[in-house]
Amino acid sequence: SQQGEEDPQALSIQEGENATMNCSYKTSINNLQWYRQNSGRGLVHLILIRSNEREKHSGRLRVTLDTSKKSSSLLITASRAADTASYFCATDANDYKLSFGAGTTVTVRA
Amino acid sequence: EAQVTQNPRYLITVTGKKLTVTCSQNMNHEYMSWYRQDPGLGLRQIYYSMNVEVTDKGDVPEGYKVSRKEKRNFPLILESPSPNQTSLYFCASSDYSNQPQHFGDGTRLSIL
Repeated sequence: SQQGEEDPQALSIQEGENATMNCSYKTSINNLQWYRQNSGRGLVHLILIRSNEREKHSGRLRVTLDTSKKSSSLLITASRAADTASYFCATDANDYKLSFGAGTTVTVRA
Repeated sequence: EAQVTQNPRYLITVTGKKLTVTCSQNMNHEYMSWYRQDPGLGLRQIYYSMNVEVTDKGDVPEGYKVSRKEKRNFPLILESPSPNQTSLYFCASSDYSNQPQHFGDGTRLSIL
């Protein structure tokens, strides 16, 4: 079943701007992960945030998690053309699998 | 180099002709998984394996088989492919089911 849902479905921004996308999920989770997919390629893991964490940073990425609202956000600061990709959240609900959302497609214009 | 290797990368075939997509990982990972990706639906899990000889159904297992005879290999078998199995398929592996997964580059299957 598809646990996570990303919002918006698509996002177009100017190089240098920040990009924010959100993920909502339905059941309790152990952790939430964000992945990036460049066109036609495999997914690449970006960041994992555990259910007892509220915020995590990795380079230009900032992830927040609000378990009371069952939602997470991914912020990419100072975007670059190379950030053009689809971004997926995936949730671990302690059922031996990750459930992925449908993704947010981000286009960074030069 | 740590990697998950899928073969073939592209395949066009006909309805009913059995095919196998191979997946191999070199990271000694316990957990392996197959997903299919369709427009607007994201990734849906087909089958997963917690370890050698341990496999279980994901969300969309109908029409697929898997085996895990060795730790590094996790082939996906379509015994009698149908057009609704036309999709982009990904194999992934990790230390455990809730850990970051390493993905292969994908296999694009077209069933005519």
